[in-house]
Amino acid sequence: EAGVAQSPRYKIIEKRQSVAFWCNPISGHATLYWYQQILGQGPKLLIQFQNNGVVDDSQLPKDRFSAERLKGVDSTLKIQPAKLEDSAVYLCASSLGAGVVGETQYFGPGTRLLVL
Amino acid sequence: DAKTTQPPSMDCAEGRAANLPCNHSTISGNEYVYWYRQIHSQGPQYIIHGLKNNETNEMASLIITEDRKSSTLILPHATLRDTAVYYCTLGYSTLTFGKGTMLLVSP
Repeated sequence: EAGVAQSPRYKIIEKRQSVAFWCNPISGHATLYWYQQILGQGPKLLIQFQNNGVVDDSQLPKDRFSAERLKGVDSTLKIQPAKLEDSAVYLCASSLGAGVVGETQYFGPGTRLLVL
Repeated sequence: DAKTTQPPSMDCAEGRAANLPCNHSTISGNEYVYWYRQIHSQGPQYIIHGLKNNETNEMASLIITEDRKSSTLILPHATLRDTAVYYCTLGYSTLTFGKGTMLLVSP
């Protein structure tokens, strides 16, 4: 079974530029998550989708970050414009059920972003 | 803020059992205890989770105290490849990660 796929793996941009990350979850997984992981810290949830609807985006900086999950499958996360403090690893995860308690999340390898 | 407390680092000799503690004194009645680990430059990897009872799988054992205020992850025979950051986290369908424990397994 293929895992969660993410691209690109690495990205270097200058501040005020825009950037987009792509995630393809495990086939059949209804729930998709985007996390931000700053160096030395644990992952922080940015947004959670169930199918193509947003369940939780309370920690998403909506003035610069946006995310979509068209057709309830793959997803893109965009930052526009980027700031220096956005330098981090952006992780995508998926789980099988929709709002099921006690489910396992499976993580992709992440996209490492460096903002100069 | 994370609702779990873990030691920042631990050492273990190869072949010995690694016992990683986690305090979660404010756990809610229906929150699961999850353990993930993250090897350098990779995404977090699921290890095990439980609600009330102790759990065991091919990777590890999870011991949850009767009052559910703490738990211990046990790697029965640690190998060098078990060197990683181990996260104890609580949740229903979303997870809140702390800084985890850096486990160093040495020869």
